[in-house]
Amino acid sequence: QQQVKQSPQSLIVQKGGIPIINCAYENTAFDYFPWYQQFPGKGPALLIAIRPDVSEKKEGRFTISFNKSAKQFSLHIMDSQPGDSATYFCAATSGGTGNQFYFGTGTSLTVIP
Amino acid sequence: DAGVTQSPTHLIKTRGQQVTLRCSPKSGHDTVSWYQQALGQGPQFIFQYYEEEERQRGNFPDRFSGHQFPNYSSELNVNALLLGDSALYLCASSLQADTQYFGPGTRLTVL
Repeated sequence: QQQVKQSPQSLIVQKGGIPIINCAYENTAFDYFPWYQQFPGKGPALLIAIRPDVSEKKEGRFTISFNKSAKQFSLHIMDSQPGDSATYFCAATSGGTGNQFYFGTGTSLTVIP
Repeated sequence: DAGVTQSPTHLIKTRGQQVTLRCSPKSGHDTVSWYQQALGQGPQFIFQYYEEEERQRGNFPDRFSGHQFPNYSSELNVNALLLGDSALYLCASSLQADTQYFGPGTRLTVL
């Protein structure tokens, strides 16, 4: 079954808007939650990641919000730009070594100029 | 500092053939993971190599095998190709840590 559920499947926002992508997980052993950005024909690039001991992390225009009790985490993109148009994947893993990453199904984001 | 590199970029094979994909990890990384990404889907874990051993494996048949060399580079081999094996194959490297860095992928088309 899908270990990490991601929504929405697609998202269209105006430039300057704040798209929000949500992910939910079941396995409470997960302790590392990265977000990846992928452009067509390219490999996923790490954007930002969070551990369960904090509820929020910001890096530039990207923010992760983490709700441990609800087993949910989300990506917010502040002041979105057309160059942010890409597919975004959340992922989860447990442990630091030798554990596989479980990816969500992806969200296709389009930022309209 | 070179990131993760993969070769070839694209590959076209016919059903029943065998294919070998190659990956060089990011400098200083010792762990290599392989993923299959079908069109419109998230990456699916195939297996992970550390110290030249397969450390963990996802839900893929034995037709998928791999190898890691002493210099930490890795190969993914797929035998008896099926149409459903057509996908982007991604290699990710890490240094015994959570953060995995992905290469650009190899696009495999099976006809």
